[in-house]
Amino acid sequence: LAKTTQPISMDSYEGQEVNITCSHNNIATNDYITWYQQFPSQGPRFIIQGYKTKVTNEVASLFIPADRKSSTLSLPRVSLSDTAVYYCLVDLDTGRRALTFGSGTRLQVQP
Amino acid sequence: GAVVSQHPSRVICKSGTSVKIECRSLDFQATTMFWYRQFPKQSLMLMATSNEGSKATYEQGVEKDKFLINHASLTLSTLTVTSAHPEDSSFYICSARVDRGAYEQYFGPGTRLTVT
Repeated sequence: LAKTTQPISMDSYEGQEVNITCSHNNIATNDYITWYQQFPSQGPRFIIQGYKTKVTNEVASLFIPADRKSSTLSLPRVSLSDTAVYYCLVDLDTGRRALTFGSGTRLQVQP
Repeated sequence: GAVVSQHPSRVICKSGTSVKIECRSLDFQATTMFWYRQFPKQSLMLMATSNEGSKATYEQGVEKDKFLINHASLTLSTLTVTSAHPEDSSFYICSARVDRGAYEQYFGPGTRLTVT
C-alpha cells in the first residue's frame, strides 16, 4: 500500500476555494486515489475517486498530475459545514479489502 | 442505496461489563464487513475483518477473545466488547463491502463507547 502524506491542518474562510494536496510517491500503476470526509463523531464519507488527470463531481474536483505522485482535492467555495477531516487513500482494490487511513487533514472553515 | 447503520450510536457502561455493537447493511447484502476503532484526534485503525459464515480475521494486537465478532447473516455483524475497561473507550466504526462489479465500501455512523 502506498504511503500518503497530507498537511495536518488547514484553515480557510467561507466562500474560498480550498486545495488539499496529498503526496503518494510510491503509488503503484494500478492504484486508485480516493478521498474521504469525516465529521466529528461520524463515519467517513466517500467524496471522490480518480486514477489520472481530473475528476469532478457535485462536491469536489480531484487533480492528478501525469506522474501520479500527488493529488489535490479541490473544494470550491467552502462553507462552515465543510469543516471536517479529509483523508487521502491510495489502493489497488478500491473497496475489496480494508481501507488504510493516514493521519488526514483537519480543515477548519471560519466565517 | 448502500446505507449502513450502527446501533447503539453511543453507550456508557461500567468497567467489567460487556457491550454489543450492531452493524447492519440496510439495503444490500454484505458478505464482508470491517470494524475500525478511532481514538480522539486520531485516524481510523482496522480491528478486524468480519466474514459471513466464518471466523473473523483480527489485526495484530487486537485480542479476539476480548472483541468478539459474529457475522451471522448477510446484513448483520456484531462486535461485542467483553469485560470492558476504560481504555476500551473509543469510537467504533464499521464498514460494509458491496460487490457491484467493482468493490465499494460504505461506512456506518459509528458508535461512541464510554467505559466508566
